This record gives sequence, structure tokens and C-alpha cells, in this order.
Amino acid sequence: TAGITQAPTSQILAAGRSMTLRCTQDMRHNAMYWYRQDLGLGLRLIHYSNTAGTTGKGEVPDGYSVSRANTDDFPLTLASAVPSQTSVYFCASSPEGGTATYEQYFGPGTRLTVT
Amino acid sequence: GENVEQHPSTLSVQEGDSAVIKCTYSDSASNYFPWYKQELGKGPQLIIDIRSNVGEKKDQRIAVTLNKTAKHFSLHITETQPEDSAVYFCAAVSSGSARQLTFGSGTQLTVLP
Repeated sequence: TAGITQAPTSQILAAGRSMTLRCTQDMRHNAMYWYRQDLGLGLRLIHYSNTAGTTGKGEVPDGYSVSRANTDDFPLTLASAVPSQTSVYFCASSPEGGTATYEQYFGPGTRLTVT
Repeated sequence: GENVEQHPSTLSVQEGDSAVIKCTYSDSASNYFPWYKQELGKGPQLIIDIRSNVGEKKDQRIAVTLNKTAKHFSLHITETQPEDSAVYFCAAVSSGSARQLTFGSGTQLTVLP
């Protein structure tokens, strides 16, 4: 199985432009997450979705939006990119229930540079 | 919310020696503590986790210990090998919405041959 796929792998984006980072999982996990990773700051949660049709804000949600129309897809949109959004973005998913409730599985990441 | 601190930020060990990475957390209600390994250019990979009802868990050369009273947990890697070289992150579940992890800032482990 593919697990979690992210697209694109990398992107250079002009400031002020919009972009959608794609994330798809094939594990039928209910919960999905978007993180950004910056040097020295670890991974910070941007938005999350506990189940299809619901979303919530994480630690650093400003400038980002998400949607969860179905179980498999969780796109992240930057409406008007700014240089401070230059980062590596990781999508993750987690099963629901039982002892595996908290385990999160990560995709390969998208490296975004905003110029 | 939860705050997780991780030390050291960098660690170099000789092949065959042991490595220890330590984390502290602030939310006494946290009950799940995973460790992730991240190789260059890849996403984090879950390597071991521990829940608050146990004090230690082992998986081959990797072990994690948890001290709930002191609110700290540690990753122990024995008989280190060059392929253990990576960035390691600890995390804890926050008391906010279910399943939200708060991560430490990471430890770059280098195993010298």
C-alpha cells in the first residue's frame, strides 16, 4: 500500500500567489493532520481533521485553510503566500479507536519556497 | 497547552555506544508519548511509543522510559549503528482535541564509525 502521498514534492511560489498542497491516504484513517517543519522548531500543527466533514485549527493556522470532503483527501491551501510560509509541509493520518488511537503516520513532505 | 522540551539538540556517539535523548512535558494529563525518527529528505517515522500506564518499553535495541511524576521520558538506543544517524523527535498528546501531538524540537544523532 502507498500509505500517504503528498504532491508536489517541492515548489517555488511567488509571494501573493495561491497554492494547494495535496495529501491522500489509502489506510482509511479517520484523522488527518497538516504540520510545518522549520529548523529548530520541530513540527508544528497547522490544521487537523478528526473525521471527514470536520476540521480544526492547530498551533499555527493563520494563512492556511483546509477541507475534508472525504476520508482519503486533506488538501492544504495557502490563499496568498508570504515568505514566512517557506517550510517543509507534512501531512499525517491516524486511525481511530483502540490502542492505536494516537499513532500518526507521515507522508514524505512538500518543500515550499515562497519568494 | 502542552509544551515539550527535548535535549540535547545534537548528539554524537561512537558506533556501538549507547545514545540517550531526554524530553520533558508540561501537561500532567498527557498519556501518550511517541518517538519519531526522521532521515534526511523523508517524513518522520514512528519507531516506538509508550503510554502512561507503563514505565518502560523495549523493542530490540530501542527502549523508552517514562517518569510521570517528574513528567519526563527518554529514548535509549543501545549498540548504535551508522544507520541510526537521523533526527529524533519526541512528542506528547495535548489535552486539547483528541490525538493532537505536540513535538519536541528534535535531536540530530550522529553515529561515528
